[in-house]
Amino acid sequence: NAGVTQTPKFRILKIGQSMTLQCTQDMNHNYMYWYRQDPGMGLKLIYYSVGAGITDKGEVPNGYNVSRSTTEDFPLRLELAAPSQTSVYFCASSYGGNHNYGYTFGSGTRLTVV
Amino acid sequence: DAKTTQPNSMESNEEEPVHLPCNHSTISGTDYIHWYRQLPSQGPEYVIHGLTSNVNNRMASLAIAEDRKSSTLILHRATLRDAAVYYCILRDRDNNDMRFGAGTRLTVKP
Repeated sequence: NAGVTQTPKFRILKIGQSMTLQCTQDMNHNYMYWYRQDPGMGLKLIYYSVGAGITDKGEVPNGYNVSRSTTEDFPLRLELAAPSQTSVYFCASSYGGNHNYGYTFGSGTRLTVV
Repeated sequence: DAKTTQPNSMESNEEEPVHLPCNHSTISGTDYIHWYRQLPSQGPEYVIHGLTSNVNNRMASLAIAEDRKSSTLILHRATLRDAAVYYCILRDRDNNDMRFGAGTRLTVKP
């Protein structure tokens, strides 16, 4: 049981480039989330999904896009990378959306935009 | 969203109990109190959650004040592996997302 798997673990992008951060979970969780964490700060929610085909914006969605075509996968797309998007990105999943369900997080993708 | 206030950092000695406080004076009746921790270079992991009554699990205990305006995460015997940032988070019972603050950085000294 792998849990939540994120790839790649590290990436350096040039300004204006695009990339997709991959996230997959094997726990049959309905809910999935993308967070970013800037140095010394807490996590901020970018996007989340309550099931295949459904996505919603979080606190800081600008500059990102997501899709949820399957229960297992929730990729995060950066179209025009900017230095402000330098951060560590965490994907998480949960069985349900309410208080009873804890989140399982991946190990993160460290992204640097230069 | 109701907010939480935690100390920026705390220190503890190994094998001693640790009490991590959290203030949430604007908590609503439907907010649950969740705790997560983040070990160095890892994603956060769930620790414990509760509504009104104190809660225990294999990782920790959660003590909730009678007026619910504050809570305390208790690690009964701190180990070096407990060194992490601990986040206290309020979640509405039907909320689809979870908002993290800056948390408390716990240092455990041998």
